[in-house]
Amino acid sequence: AQSVTQLDSQVPVFEEAPVELRCNYSSSVSVYLFWYVQYPNQGLQLLLKYLSGSTLVKSINGFEAEFNKSQTSFHLRKPSVHISDTAEYFCAVRNYGGATNKLIFGTGTLLAVQP
Amino acid sequence: GAVVSQHPSRVICKSGTSVKIECRSLDFQATTMFWYRQFPKQSLMLMATSNEGSKATYEQGVEKDKFLINHASLTLSTLTVTSAHPEDSSFYICSARVPGNSNQPQHFGDGTRLSIL
Repeated sequence: AQSVTQLDSQVPVFEEAPVELRCNYSSSVSVYLFWYVQYPNQGLQLLLKYLSGSTLVKSINGFEAEFNKSQTSFHLRKPSVHISDTAEYFCAVRNYGGATNKLIFGTGTLLAVQP
Repeated sequence: GAVVSQHPSRVICKSGTSVKIECRSLDFQATTMFWYRQFPKQSLMLMATSNEGSKATYEQGVEKDKFLINHASLTLSTLTVTSAHPEDSSFYICSARVPGNSNQPQHFGDGTRLSIL
């Protein structure tokens, strides 16, 4: 069975500072990895995904994540955050293959950007 | 991109009422949809997997008679919370995956905030 660990429940950071949100996973098989963002009282929006190929994936709003197989990690980074990046971020994993394979979420990290 | 619409966004009702939540895939057909429940400041917990034309698959500990799921068409799944009580108050979110390759990501609705008085 897979599991996802997000060690930091909350990450406070000042505007324009860099940030890293940590995500580690556990699985006995190959997985797809995702980061979702949730703004207050809203559903989840896909931020970026790793399926295969290049281990560094990027979003259109400056976030990036790197898949590290040896460390079973998929940390999310942004070199300079904005107030508008304040939200809850969820890392998720799903096994290869099978249309109904479950998406397993971490417990989330609240990114709190301060002016 | 793929859009999932969820309705209503907020429900406030008395204890004992049954509440129906709709989840629609707007620009694609979804043979499989997922229903999640999220408690305040916690992660999403998968409740059940909704399969078009067949019975839903419930996660362990989820009462199927309490949370009725119907997936009657390729674009609509409904979750009915029967005889809701205050402990059923939560944020319910549905999602669907674009069919085809299994590497397609899940797209989420905006959620339904259910408050039982």
